[in-house]
Amino acid sequence: GAVVSQHPSRVICKSGTSVKIECRSLDFQATTMFWYRQFPKQSLMLMATSNEGSKATYEQGVEKDKFLINHASLTLSTLTVTSAHPEDSSFYICSAWGTSVTDTQYFGPGTRLTVL
Amino acid sequence: EDQVTQSPEALRLQEGESSSLNCSYTVSGLRGLFWYRQDPGKGPEFLFTLYSAGEEKEKERLKATLTKKESFLHITAPKPEDSATYLCAVHLPRGFQKLVFGTGTRLLVSP
Repeated sequence: GAVVSQHPSRVICKSGTSVKIECRSLDFQATTMFWYRQFPKQSLMLMATSNEGSKATYEQGVEKDKFLINHASLTLSTLTVTSAHPEDSSFYICSAWGTSVTDTQYFGPGTRLTVL
Repeated sequence: EDQVTQSPEALRLQEGESSSLNCSYTVSGLRGLFWYRQDPGKGPEFLFTLYSAGEEKEKERLKATLTKKESFLHITAPKPEDSATYLCAVHLPRGFQKLVFGTGTRLLVSP
């Protein structure tokens, strides 16, 4: 099956610093990746769609300058949370809908971000 | 507006007690409906994809069905290891292959 990895799985940082989260498709190519945010006991909220070689498409209400997305290759997308604040603490999950798999988006294991 | 609603919000079952989870949707031109399982602190795990009314898919104790307005996830003789949050999502007919998720059903199966 299709495997999506994320790194790191958990990160703690100080307020004002930037944090980068990597999302990789391990055994397939992904022209489109997605970044979600999930608060405790809530469902997934789509933040942005990451397209290889082009700019990301952000959902309404998501700050482009705060959540920088780069999709530099067919297997890697990165999310950088800039100048993080405690309210950015959340569970961030990426997914990929590849060109070689069908039927669904496959999700990474998630990254728990805690901003002190 | 495209909406996905899941019910119940939470469900507690005894081991072996069968039940069903509901996912209702209002989407024009559905391209697919997906069921995922999510364990605490982990990403969603794919279960099923359904494309057209009348379609059914099974995997172990789980069976998913689809009508024009809703989908059911039937759990037969559940075990404690089936405890998780079950999410359904619909694939919109437009907009970069986005999925719209329901709020999920938290299932707890007691021994």
